[in-house]
Amino acid sequence: DAGVIQSPRHEVTEMGQEVTLRCKPISGHDYLFWYRQTMMRGLELLIYFNNNVPIDDSGMPEDRFSAKMPNASFSTLKIQPSEPRDSAVYFCASSLSYRGITMEQFFGPGTRLTVL
Amino acid sequence: GQQVMQIPQYQHVQEGEDFTTYCNSSTTLSNIQWYKQRPGGHPVFLIQLVKSGEVKKQKRLTFQFGEAKKNSSLHITATQTTDVGTYFCAAFSNSGYALNFGKGTSLLVTP
Repeated sequence: DAGVIQSPRHEVTEMGQEVTLRCKPISGHDYLFWYRQTMMRGLELLIYFNNNVPIDDSGMPEDRFSAKMPNASFSTLKIQPSEPRDSAVYFCASSLSYRGITMEQFFGPGTRLTVL
Repeated sequence: GQQVMQIPQYQHVQEGEDFTTYCNSSTTLSNIQWYKQRPGGHPVFLIQLVKSGEVKKQKRLTFQFGEAKKNSSLHITATQTTDVGTYFCAAFSNSGYALNFGKGTSLLVTP
């Protein structure tokens, strides 16, 4: 298995532009998580899905952020419009649940977003 | 969710010295996971601790879960330059599905 795949690896955009980050989880995993990492705030959970259904989006900073998981092998995180303070590394992670508890999380390589 | 605090934030050691990072919670944790993130990389799972007082070893790394399940530690014996990175502890939220990560301890090892 190739692991969790994210694209693009780097994104530089201008303030006000729409940004779409993509993630392909490990096949067979039933949980998918989106995180944001910055020096100031550390690793923050934005939203997670179970079997393609959003379960908790309380970490999404504001309405400019949205996430979808149209099928078990693909998820997107969209920022519209983007702002300089959105600059961060965005990680996608997936995991398998066992007896109602998620196991270890496998992280993708991340997307480094820079908003100018 | 179950929040965890990590100390120290940074640690700089000479190669061959030992290193310990601590993870503390004000509430009892169901279990705890540890991850390592190399500079420029992504977090990678190291281990999960579940039982009170549990101790697990991985070569030079020793992981411990406190008796009250409110704290945990990671100890590295005789650090090597390959140990450089940030070590995170993470506790499950009340739902048991999502993880709350600590801020991490960044380890720098100089030869």
